[in-house]
Amino acid sequence: GAVVSQHPSRVICKSGTSVKIECRSLDFQATTMFWYRQFPKQSLMLMATSNEGSKATYEQGVEKDKFLINHASLTLSTLTVTSAHPEDSSFYICSARYTGGGEKLFFGSGTQLSVL
Amino acid sequence: AQTVTQSQPEMSVQEAETVTLSCTYDTSESNYYLFWYKQPPSRQMILVIRQEAYKQQNATENRFSVNFQKAAKSFSLKISDSQLGDTAMYFCAFMTYYNTDKLIFGTGTRLQVFP
Repeated sequence: GAVVSQHPSRVICKSGTSVKIECRSLDFQATTMFWYRQFPKQSLMLMATSNEGSKATYEQGVEKDKFLINHASLTLSTLTVTSAHPEDSSFYICSARYTGGGEKLFFGSGTQLSVL
Repeated sequence: AQTVTQSQPEMSVQEAETVTLSCTYDTSESNYYLFWYKQPPSRQMILVIRQEAYKQQNATENRFSVNFQKAAKSFSLKISDSQLGDTAMYFCAFMTYYNTDKLIFGTGTRLQVFP
């Protein structure tokens, strides 16, 4: 299947700092990428849809000023958690839409964010 | 609104045996996609199998197959010849043809394969 790379896999930061997470489609172009949040032992919750060259679309209840998304190229989307607080600690996963052989989403390996 | 329900929080199976994971969904749409994703302890989400609603034939991928019952809105996953590496969380997911920005996940089933 298509490969989506996500970095870093784990990050620990101090409260008040900002953290950037990268999501790259390695062998295909992705005009649309998605960012999810997963709490322990729970399902994935869609946070926002990232479209190349335009503003992200955020799900209801997700603060766009807290979670900045940039999709500057067809292979890269970034999520920046600004002024992180302990309640932002979570597992964040990106996915990219692959349309080469029907509608499919491929996921990155996730980022565990811990805010101290 | 579309919903996806996985009624089995946990399942276990012995190696080499067969196990079936249940999934039901609710939608008023007639055209959509259904997926099963696997999330092993590494937490990487892996696409296991995909079904398009207009196709009557059940999708298969090696040891993985589905039983798609459109009228009953049921989409179960059968894993044959279970292997230790199949131990993972399994998520059923739904996406309409007309809003492919939203993949709706069920709550997941934790599968443990025992030797």
